[in-house]
Amino acid sequence: GAGVSQSPRYKVAKRGQDVALRCDPISGHVSLFWYQQALGQGPEFLTYFQNEAQLDKSGLPSDRFFAERPEGSVSTLKIQRTQQEDSAVYLCASSARGRAEQFFGPGTRLTVL
Amino acid sequence: GQQLNQSPQSMFIQEGEDVSMNCTSSSIFNTWLWYKQDPGEGPVLLIALYKAGELTSNGRLTAQFGITRKDSFLNISASIPSDVGIYFCAGPSSGSARQLTFGSGTQLTVLP
Repeated sequence: GAGVSQSPRYKVAKRGQDVALRCDPISGHVSLFWYQQALGQGPEFLTYFQNEAQLDKSGLPSDRFFAERPEGSVSTLKIQRTQQEDSAVYLCASSARGRAEQFFGPGTRLTVL
Repeated sequence: GQQLNQSPQSMFIQEGEDVSMNCTSSSIFNTWLWYKQDPGEGPVLLIALYKAGELTSNGRLTAQFGITRKDSFLNISASIPSDVGIYFCAGPSSGSARQLTFGSGTQLTVLP
């Protein structure tokens, strides 16, 4: 596609539920990043994929967060047993090989009640 | 880790005025990126800077990569209502992931 797409755009979950957030990167972009953005803050890094390999997951806040990109294209961020502090906007970004510029999707706003 | 200090935190300006905002870091960045984020949307890349001292324009926007590599500024000339939004500076980390470190953002409000 022309840009990064994410779905759903909004997700409301009850505390304890599992959620799955999807990201479709720009076609041909080998690098894919997930960020978490709290209200009034800049995005903060969660995890990074190069093709299907998850090369850095140092930003994942707990073992309840899990990400995958099995075929090197679409990625899913899964949050198990959601907590209220997980409420945030989750942004996906992709970049071409060797390029620093990252292009972001519209984000998924997660609200945990 | 690397941190970016962005100022001002917010600005209220009259339509037609020029705007300047800046970003500083305690460590060197090899690339500076400026993004704009509208409510309910993801950040949109405005300008990318790659060399110390580089001055780059994109329409009414001009950004400079500081010669010390520890700062950058963004200017917007002749502001218009659609300039409203949050502006972020960002730079890739020195780690292997090259994830972006973001500033805290400048909220711009343009008054008619």
